[in-house]
Amino acid sequence: NAGVMQNPRHLVRRRGQEARLRCSPMKGHSHVYWYRQLPEEGLKFMVYLQKENIIDESGMPKERFSAEFPKEGPSILRIQQVVRGDSAAYFCASSPLPGNSPLHFGNGTRLTVT
Amino acid sequence: GIQVEQSPPDLILQEGANSTLRCNFSDSVNNLQWFHQNPWGQLINLFYIPSGTKQNGRLSATTVATERYSLLYISSSQTTDSGVYFCAVGAENRDDKIIFGKGTRLHILP
Repeated sequence: NAGVMQNPRHLVRRRGQEARLRCSPMKGHSHVYWYRQLPEEGLKFMVYLQKENIIDESGMPKERFSAEFPKEGPSILRIQQVVRGDSAAYFCASSPLPGNSPLHFGNGTRLTVT
Repeated sequence: GIQVEQSPPDLILQEGANSTLRCNFSDSVNNLQWFHQNPWGQLINLFYIPSGTKQNGRLSATTVATERYSLLYISSSQTTDSGVYFCAVGAENRDDKIIFGKGTRLHILP
């Protein structure tokens, strides 16, 4: 039973390029969360999605960032026109139910913007 | 939104010592979890414990939901326990997002 799969593990982008981060939830999980972690800091909530629905995107910057979780395929976090401040670890978690069930995390994608 | 405070922020202990990590939260919760982030950055789910007490080996956790706090106990610490311990909560009767505290950084000396 594969866990939450994130890819790539490491991603290097030049300023102005686009970054696409992928997250395949655990089998049977239809709820996905994305978090950002800066070095030596905690995890900041970005967005919570169900299949084909964005439930809460209150933690996502209004510009350049978008997320989707299509009916088929992985959840995608997309960052357009990256800047150096976007460099961070991005973690995805999934759960089978909303709210009162445990989160299972992937190993993260470490984005470096040069 | 709900606030999560963890204490202490940093803790250095000798191998074999016991420790207690605390998580205070500002609202009623229907979801509370403890995670360990190891030095390689992996997040390991330790306990799902919105209320009550659970034990897993040398680790145990207690959540007193009515008083809005949770405690994580680590007994007979080992160097592999080093890392950052996060508390994460979901507020009751609100949206279902899960918010993390800033963590307790634990360093176990050999």
